[in-house]
Amino acid sequence: QKEVEQDPGPLSVPEGAIVSLNCTYSNSAFQYFMWYRQYSRKGPELLMYTYSSGNKEDGRFTAQVDKSSKYISLFIRDSQPSDSATYLCAMSSNSGGYQKVTFGIGTKLQVIP
Amino acid sequence: DAGVTQSPTHLIKTRGQQVTLRCSPKSGHDTVSWYQQALGQGPQFIFQYYEEEERQRGNFPDRFSGHQFPNYSSELNVNALLLGDSALYLCASSPPVGVMETQYFGPGTRLLVL
Repeated sequence: QKEVEQDPGPLSVPEGAIVSLNCTYSNSAFQYFMWYRQYSRKGPELLMYTYSSGNKEDGRFTAQVDKSSKYISLFIRDSQPSDSATYLCAMSSNSGGYQKVTFGIGTKLQVIP
Repeated sequence: DAGVTQSPTHLIKTRGQQVTLRCSPKSGHDTVSWYQQALGQGPQFIFQYYEEEERQRGNFPDRFSGHQFPNYSSELNVNALLLGDSALYLCASSPPVGVMETQYFGPGTRLLVL
């Protein structure tokens, strides 16, 4: 079993739709939860960063973490064609003063105009 | 702020050769991590450098080695290249311990092994 599970998609939605992206995990030591956006042939770009359980909102993006269920989500409101990319969830634990980050496989999202 | 930079952007090698990839961290960052991202996969952690020493390592063979310089820049070396080493190699930097942020990635070096 992988430490982080993520549906690779692809996920196609019409412009303006609400997008829900999800990951599950098995390692209870994870404390930091991140979402990255990666355009084709580019490096990942940090979108959202959350510590422990709870919600965080940034513009059209909302990240949710439910540690009791080991489940995290990213919601994108009013999706735009420019949101078309691969979305990677990532999780890390802080041990001895440093982080090791584990990524999901990424979900490919296409927003259709 | 130039962010994390990597060189070269693309590289083609043949099996058995050796390759060196380079990374300059974001200004103010002192920790550099390297990741391998195969096509259609998430990034896999290779190792992390801090204070010019390898601090932690993922599940990669000794053919993968690295170095960090006093200016915090870093190199990734891969010896005896295999076809399976073809991937996007990502460098990520993070700030000093105590600043609770996460890593910032460079654009990557795309390595093709023929």
